Amino acid sequence: DAKTTQPNSMESNEEEPVHLPCNHSTISGTDYIHWYRQLPSQGPEYVIHGLTSNVNNRMASLAIAEDRKSSTLILHRATLRDAAVYYCIPSGYALNFGKGTSLLVTP
Amino acid sequence: DAGVIQSPRHEVTEMGQEVTLRCKPISGHDYLFWYRQTMMRGLELLIYFNNNVPIDDSGMPEDRFSAKMPNASFSTLKIQPSEPRDSAVYFCASSYGQGYGYTFGSGTRLTVV
Repeated sequence: DAKTTQPNSMESNEEEPVHLPCNHSTISGTDYIHWYRQLPSQGPEYVIHGLTSNVNNRMASLAIAEDRKSSTLILHRATLRDAAVYYCIPSGYALNFGKGTSLLVTP
Repeated sequence: DAGVIQSPRHEVTEMGQEVTLRCKPISGHDYLFWYRQTMMRGLELLIYFNNNVPIDDSGMPEDRFSAKMPNASFSTLKIQPSEPRDSAVYFCASSYGQGYGYTFGSGTRLTVV
């Protein structure tokens, strides 16, 4: 499995954009880059995933470096409900979760 | 779609008892995963199935744990005998496979006393 490096924690003000970085320098060529989040007392929730190109959905955007060794999850306007642990997971068939980034959103 | 359904939501049992956790994946999803989450170890993949066949059970902690998927709409994770260190939240997830997102259930909180 590819090794990932994410900040332990980040803080953002409400309604501001948030850029969550992830390094995955040992990613294999066929691994997708998945992002999940886990709100307190809930199960992990799918956010977004991609292979090579940048991806957008209603929740977030995913920017993937050209060499695929890093990626950034972008929340365009953070809300208090976005406070969660965010996991970056390069993966084939099974997701192996690391420690993730704990995002704090302040009013 | 009701999502991935797990039962029970909470289970409290005494050490030495058998515990069975249940999961109903999303219809049409070919992959099913069992995870365990504790404060100390985070989210751990225990086992996953493809088309009802176990593919990788290397995460199953020991022989006391077993998982089955008798059909495409049902899976069980059994612990026999249970021990206090098995106390955790157990999640089930399903997916169409590589290149698709995974949907997690709400989890079963197991407490072994």
